[in-house]
Amino acid sequence: AQSVTQLDSQVPVFEEAPVELRCNYSSSVSVYLFWYVQYPNQGLQLLLKYLSGSTLVESINGFEAEFNKSQTSFHLRKPSVHISDTAEYFCAVRDGGSQGNLIFGKGTKLSVKP
Amino acid sequence: GAGVSQSPSNKVTEKGKDVELRCDPISGHTALYWYRQSLGQGLEFLIYFQGNSAPDKSGLPSDRFSAERTGGSVSTLTIQRTQQEDSAVYLCASSLPQGASSPLHFGNGTRLTVT
Repeated sequence: AQSVTQLDSQVPVFEEAPVELRCNYSSSVSVYLFWYVQYPNQGLQLLLKYLSGSTLVESINGFEAEFNKSQTSFHLRKPSVHISDTAEYFCAVRDGGSQGNLIFGKGTKLSVKP
Repeated sequence: GAGVSQSPSNKVTEKGKDVELRCDPISGHTALYWYRQSLGQGLEFLIYFQGNSAPDKSGLPSDRFSAERTGGSVSTLTIQRTQQEDSAVYLCASSLPQGASSPLHFGNGTRLTVT
């Protein structure tokens, strides 16, 4: 069965520093990968997704993630974080041949300090 | 347009009582999902509806949990004889019928507290 591992439960960083949130999934022939963000007391919002094509995908607010098939990873990065990026980030995966549920990691809480 | 709507936003109930949580998906979304989010546990899949197909109930933790989707739209998650370990945020999501590539759109959740 598919699984997702987010190694870091909490990541504290200072404002304007770079950040990387790690995500690894169990191997599959083809997968679709997603990053969601959850701000306090809100539901999850789609941040970015990898479906096919270019392995580097970007969001509108400066985050990017790179699909690495050999390492079964989909790490999320941002070169310079803002206070407003403080939130919990979830990585999710779905097998390419499946129309069922998304499998989520346990989340990484990003805390950006001034 | 309107997003996924869940009600109530907060529910406090006594142990042993039954509760019903409601989800109104985005219009035109034929897939509907329920997840449970507990502190430090991430999102736990509960149940998935897709059109008129039989629902995938493989994530329901016990027979006290059930869900239905009437008319292919609104869904209700029912928890009978609630226990303190049922306390969590219950999230509903919907998606377009475009297969595995369709992202999920989430509601803001119902925070359930069992006292």
